[in-house]
Amino acid sequence: QSALTQPASVSGSPGQSITLSCTGTTSDIGVSNYVSWYQQHPGKAPKVMIYEVSNRPSGVSNRFSGSKSGNTASLTISGLQAEDEADYYCVLYTNTGTWVLGGGTKLTVL
Amino acid sequence: EVQLAESGGTFVQPGGSLRLSCAASGFTFRNYGMTWVRQAPGKGLEWVSYISSTSGTIDYADAVKGRFTISRDNVKDSLFLQMSSLRAEDTAVYYCARVAAGALFNWGQGTLVTVSS
Repeated sequence: QSALTQPASVSGSPGQSITLSCTGTTSDIGVSNYVSWYQQHPGKAPKVMIYEVSNRPSGVSNRFSGSKSGNTASLTISGLQAEDEADYYCVLYTNTGTWVLGGGTKLTVL
Repeated sequence: EVQLAESGGTFVQPGGSLRLSCAASGFTFRNYGMTWVRQAPGKGLEWVSYISSTSGTIDYADAVKGRFTISRDNVKDSLFLQMSSLRAEDTAVYYCARVAAGALFNWGQGTLVTVSS
């Protein structure tokens, strides 16, 4: 199972909306609804921000939203804030019972 | 409140063995699958292993298959990772995580394993 592809870095200004992408294949992301997104600040454990493509856990800001189109899942952050600066990972739970992770995107808030 | 607390990480020489533990609280441990995920210094996350709620399903990443063994004790609400034949590339912070809805819903704070001569 190949890793999912994420851009290494993305940047945006406060107040802007940005979209992080996560690309797989027709046989993984393309057929699965078990895509999740995680935020990780330096030195901290990851935190789930989106699960099942577009569901938000309780306590996660509604500025975070998820979607999927074909082989690509996306995480959109609206009203960008300084505290959003972190690494973001997409994760896929496959139909073979394993997890495949993206390489992560470093989000910089300018 | 869900809490996961890893322990057991330390410095070990190549070829050595180590057992990590993850103590769970705040949820009904026996009802959930659990995973181990690791993160090498300055690198991204890497899934290591999964165990279902009853231990009936166990999976490993290719990088650790045959060297690592995941297990759990549903009486003591604990998850374990027995690591052997350790290599330098196994150096990482190891996180345990609770699985729900196909996602890694809760994470511990991690425990650092350093493999070096």
